[in-house]
Amino acid sequence: DIQMTQSPSTLSASVGDRVTITCRASQSISPWLAWYQQKPGKAPKLLIYKASSLENGVPSRFSGSGSGTEFILIISSLQPDDFATYYCQHYNSPWTFGQGTKVEIK
Amino acid sequence: EVQLLESGGGLVQPGGSLRLSCAASGFSFSSYAMSWVRQAPGKGLEWVSVISGSGGTIYDTDSVKGRFTISRDNSKNMVFLQMISLRAEDTAVYFCARGMNQLPRGAFDIWGQGTMVTVSS
Repeated sequence: DIQMTQSPSTLSASVGDRVTITCRASQSISPWLAWYQQKPGKAPKLLIYKASSLENGVPSRFSGSGSGTEFILIISSLQPDDFATYYCQHYNSPWTFGQGTKVEIK
Repeated sequence: EVQLLESGGGLVQPGGSLRLSCAASGFSFSSYAMSWVRQAPGKGLEWVSVISGSGGTIYDTDSVKGRFTISRDNSKNMVFLQMISLRAEDTAVYFCARGMNQLPRGAFDIWGQGTMVTVSS
């Protein structure tokens, strides 16, 4: 099975900071990689698919990159609404999520 | 408005059964694969099952094989998750999610609000 490992698990940041979250797969999964944002008590929201494609309606401060086994989610300038938990996902058999990265207020 | 609405969650004893339903609206239902994803209290997301738009292709995560069955009724815009032999570790919020195309391989672009399943005596 493919394992997805995110780092860090928790990230403390301030409004305006550039935030980088890494997701590593145990084997090559390109380009079937998505990023989601989840707030407490809410359903996840799709941000990025195919590693770098921005979902409709998602602010352009979010971007994704990477290929093979290493992928990155960047928030270029953290906004108050961005404090949440972020998950990467490989969406092919098996569909596997990373363990999550919680972005909290510094 | 594109929407998914889950129902059917509740409290069930270990070894019991439950059937979750997800009602879809606002899009051409049969054109999209559908999945179930669960989240145990305080934990991360875990994909459970996926079914293609036609219903002809199904995948399940190993921990639910032989116990959970995903199905869909395209005439009623519904997807279901039949769960038997439930265990305490199946306790979670269960989300219904839409794939981005008819085939199972797609990110999940629309999610329901979730329904809570608690397995406890």
